[in-house]
Amino acid sequence: DSGVTQTPKHLITATGQRVTLRCSPRSGDLSVYWYQQSLDQGLQFLIQYYNGEERAKGNILERFSAQQFPDLHSELNLSSLELGDSALYFCASSVDGTAQETQYFGPGTRLLVL
Amino acid sequence: DQQVKQNSPSLSVQEGRISILNCDYTNSMFDYFLWYKKYPAEGPTFLISISSIKDKNEDGRFTVFLNKSAKHLSLHIVPSQPGDSAVYFCAASAVSTPANYGGSQGNLIFGKGTKLSVKP
Repeated sequence: DSGVTQTPKHLITATGQRVTLRCSPRSGDLSVYWYQQSLDQGLQFLIQYYNGEERAKGNILERFSAQQFPDLHSELNLSSLELGDSALYFCASSVDGTAQETQYFGPGTRLLVL
Repeated sequence: DQQVKQNSPSLSVQEGRISILNCDYTNSMFDYFLWYKKYPAEGPTFLISISSIKDKNEDGRFTVFLNKSAKHLSLHIVPSQPGDSAVYFCAASAVSTPANYGGSQGNLIFGKGTKLSVKP
């Protein structure tokens, strides 16, 4: 158990809908990362937050947004969902979000868009 | 453009033998490398890491070797056990990552993984 929790574990929804994925980092970690793993793809970095502030953005679509709250939990919002958004979404956390730091991953949310 | 490559999608090894998983990278700015293991329906689990100032790091049965001149790293598992059967991901980070990868330090760039099967 990495100490990173994600809810829900599974999510099935329809195209055009909006969903929210939630992540709680390990105790003491200030930085949260979101990754997407599509079929046949490695994990793709989406976005990083540190202590409530956005720190870095990767290949995140404009339909996707995220935030980190004062209690350090984070939410990833996916809107106007398309079939291609079906994927595993992982959250990871680290102490202060710098290079040469290990990130610990949650169990993921499996999103299926029908 | 894949900056971290794991060219072998799968590897099969006999129990007790050595497993060698390989990873190549193209960006010379990468200075920290990690290996993660992933079981189905679970998140990646951190295994071992290595900084670019080292060429070897060992933790029990797991050893990571880094060859900076060749931009190559490898994970050795000795002896391999059936419980090691999983997908192994290589990841890299840099103090400054390219803009299309967030343009900032810390975020990891992953290979596509190698599925290791250890047969009893």
